[in-house]
Amino acid sequence: SQELEQSPQSLIVQEGKNLTINCTSSKTLYGLYWYKQKYGEGLIFLMMLQKGGEEKSHEKITAKLDEKKQQSSLHITASQPSHAGIYLCGADPYSGNTGKLIFGQGTTLQVKP
Amino acid sequence: GAGVSQSPRYKVTKRGQDVALRCDPISGHVSLYWYRQALGQGPEFLTYFNYEAQQDKSGLPNDRFSAERPEGSISTLTIQRTEQRDSAMYRCASSLPGAGQYFGPGTRLTVT
Repeated sequence: SQELEQSPQSLIVQEGKNLTINCTSSKTLYGLYWYKQKYGEGLIFLMMLQKGGEEKSHEKITAKLDEKKQQSSLHITASQPSHAGIYLCGADPYSGNTGKLIFGQGTTLQVKP
Repeated sequence: GAGVSQSPRYKVTKRGQDVALRCDPISGHVSLYWYRQALGQGPEFLTYFNYEAQQDKSGLPNDRFSAERPEGSISTLTIQRTEQRDSAMYRCASSLPGAGQYFGPGTRLTVT
């Protein structure tokens, strides 16, 4: 079955530092989504990537999908305490855009002031 | 505009009771999804609708779980004869065709 592996599982960085979170699949992905979750709250939609090689940015967060569409990275530049939370990658493993997302286990980010 | 809303936010029920969880999607969103999330894990797909039609229910764990969206807007996930293993966060999401899914705050279900 399709699985998404996120690395690292947790991350502690000093405020102002850059960081990268990876999301890897053994199979082709037909849509890759990044979400942020804070304790007790819902998942906040960050970005969606669909094409191999695609890259999107929002404020200080950049996400990329590799050419083979099997790996994505989320990069945060000059991290701030507001970036702390759990980052989840989700993907549609089925062609035809079913919307039946599978998710990685999440990466917990702490940013020390 | 208003996001996805879910009610109740917290539900504690006794084993054997039925529960109904409600999801109110973003206005105009065609697709509605239900997921279940265990602590420390990502959400797990349960079922989804396009308009009022249930497109896929392959993720529902067993026949105690059912969902409906009779008018293509609000959806209800019903769990009959609840068991302790049903305790989890139940999340609803909605989307436009081919677009990102927007999640609600979830309903934390605890079965005692």
